[in-house]
Amino acid sequence: EDQVTQSPEALRLQEGESSSLNCSYTVSGLRGLFWYRQDPGKGPEFLFTLYSAGEEKEKERLKATLTKKESFLHITAPKPEDSATYLCAVQAGTGANNLFFGTGTRLTVIP
Amino acid sequence: ETGVTQTPRHLVMGMTNKKSLKCEQHLGHNAMYWYKQSAKKPLELMFVYNFKEQTENNSVPSRFSPECPNSSHLFLHLHTLQPEDSALYLCASSQDYRREQYFGPGTRLTVT
Repeated sequence: EDQVTQSPEALRLQEGESSSLNCSYTVSGLRGLFWYRQDPGKGPEFLFTLYSAGEEKEKERLKATLTKKESFLHITAPKPEDSATYLCAVQAGTGANNLFFGTGTRLTVIP
Repeated sequence: ETGVTQTPRHLVMGMTNKKSLKCEQHLGHNAMYWYKQSAKKPLELMFVYNFKEQTENNSVPSRFSPECPNSSHLFLHLHTLQPEDSALYLCASSQDYRREQYFGPGTRLTVT
């Protein structure tokens, strides 16, 4: 069964305290892995796409990496404005129905 | 307007009402989606349209009825909803199935 699991469910960090969020997946035929950021009361905002193991993408304080079983979103020296829920989604196969979302990690960065 | 817009942003309706949600994308994308987002659950894909043709319907109850008059507009018609249908309804678009999706701000629906 295709599945995406994100951990931890919630994470509280002090400003400047680096950490990583995890997205593990069991799907047949990974076509792509997506990271999104969602602020309260808003729709998800696209961050990164990763297509193959070993690939890395960076944007400001965020860096996403991908292995054959999981992806990490590394947050370096986070700021309060990085507080949000981070969602991971995995595209398996070619159909539009084959996109699986995790339940997200709610990140809070304390000043 | 840029990106993906949704109206209304908030909606309260009784179980016997009929209402519609509207979505418009200004990105020139070919695919549009409706999702339901409930607390502690993954995003649930409801409907997919590709070049105005519905390609997916994930066993959604018939009280939800989508409409896609052109590749830029998407509607979700609601009638005789249940309280458990209360959720955030998100519209998204993408260039094609394999590409990243861009989401609207959502409509917070409350069914009383």
